[in-house]
Amino acid sequence: GQQLNQSPQSMFIQEGEDVSMNCTSSSIFNTWLWYKQDPGEGPVLLIALYKAGELTSNGRLTAQFGITRKDSFLNISASIPSDVGIYFCAGQANDMRFGAGTRLTVKP
Amino acid sequence: NAGVTQTPKFQVLKTGQSMTLQCAQDMNHEYMSWYRQDPGMGLRLIHYSVGAGITDQGEVPNGYNVSRSTTEDFPLRLLSAAPSQTSVYFCASSYSKGHLEQFFGPGTRLTVL
Repeated sequence: GQQLNQSPQSMFIQEGEDVSMNCTSSSIFNTWLWYKQDPGEGPVLLIALYKAGELTSNGRLTAQFGITRKDSFLNISASIPSDVGIYFCAGQANDMRFGAGTRLTVKP
Repeated sequence: NAGVTQTPKFQVLKTGQSMTLQCAQDMNHEYMSWYRQDPGMGLRLIHYSVGAGITDQGEVPNGYNVSRSTTEDFPLRLLSAAPSQTSVYFCASSYSKGHLEQFFGPGTRLTVL
């Protein structure tokens, strides 16, 4: 089915480090999206990717739509304390499916 | 603009009780949806609406009803709550179903005892 496997489940990093997370699936998606959820809030869209191979940046965030259309990656450079939260990937094909999230903790 | 608002923020129910989770948006969005978020799982779509008077089932619709009498409001009803419905519920809206940027509300944390 259209299940998304997001990894890692959680990350504990030092402020200033770079972060990488990814989503994979056995299904092909037409669009990949990355959301961030702060504690007690709803997810907020960070980056949307519409074409295979596309590489898009939003400030310190960079995301890529995998060539096979079955995966996507999100990188955060030079992490800061406010990067703390849960990052979700979502893939759109017939409908939208969400990954289980990567919980990021940044130690000052 | 307030964006997407949800009430209540927290709710505790006993098994068998009914309640309505409220959702409203002031962005004149046609598409609205309800998701549930459970530990270790991604958001799962419960019901959605592509416009006033039109609703459809998502991935996990059982035990939930919705209606869309106005563009602004999209309430989610639990007719007879069960412990399996303990979850965090998010309402979201977007310009249209094909418009992928959804705006999410702050969520309702529901516990069913």
